Amino acid sequence: DTGVSQDPRHKITKRGQNVTFRCDPISEHNRLYWYRQTLGQGPEFLTYFQNEAQLEKSRLLSDRFSAERPKGSFSTLEIQRTEQGDSAMYLCASSAKQGNTGELFFGEGSRLTVL
Amino acid sequence: SQQGEEDPQALSIQEGENATMNCSYKTSINNLQWYRQNSGRGLVHLILIRSNEREKHSGRLRVTLDTSKKSSSLLITASRAADTASYFCATVVLYNQGGKLIFGQGTELSVKP
Repeated sequence: DTGVSQDPRHKITKRGQNVTFRCDPISEHNRLYWYRQTLGQGPEFLTYFQNEAQLEKSRLLSDRFSAERPKGSFSTLEIQRTEQGDSAMYLCASSAKQGNTGELFFGEGSRLTVL
Repeated sequence: SQQGEEDPQALSIQEGENATMNCSYKTSINNLQWYRQNSGRGLVHLILIRSNEREKHSGRLRVTLDTSKKSSSLLITASRAADTASYFCATVVLYNQGGKLIFGQGTELSVKP
C-alpha cells in the first residue's frame, strides 16, 4: 500500500495524558498537512510542512500541540495534557504539487477519545 | 475558521436521481476542490477547478464555479447507493499559494436504493 498511513487508528486516553500520532506520507510528496475533524464538521486546518519546514500553524492550535517532520519524511503530532475537547479525528494528508496547492491525499485518520 | 458553507447540510434522494450540492466561500481563491468522505474514513479527492475555469466534468460529476458570486456546485448524475457519503468543498485562498486547503462544513448525502 503506497497511500498515506496513520498510526494509531484509534487512541483512548485519560485527561491529562500526552498522546502522539504518526503520519507516513506518500514517499515522493514534499508537503504534509494535519487537520482535525469533529463529528458533523469539516476538517479544520492545524498545520502544514514543506519538506522539514513547518510553514504555517493555525492560531487555533494551543501550546499543547506540537508537530514535527524530521528529515522531511514522516511527521508526528503530539498533544500534551489532553483535554476532553481534544477528542476528534486527526487527519494527515500529503501533496506533491509545487506552487499552488493541488490534490491532497488523506490517510484514514487517528481517532482520539479523551475520557 | 471555515471559509466555505455548503448547502444543503443534508440531502436524501432515491437511486437514479441527480444530487446537487452548493458551496459558497468568502475570499478570492486560486482553486476549489471537492472531496468525498465515507463515514469514519479519510477524505478522497474528487475534482479540482481553477479560478479561471467555469465548468469541469469527471465521469458522473459536474462542477461549476462562479467567482463573481463566490460559489460552486457539485452535481452527481444518476446517483447510486454507493454515493452515500459526506461531500466537502475546499478552497485554496489567492495569494496564499502553496498553503492550506480550507474546508466547508459538508453536505451529507444519502442515496436510498
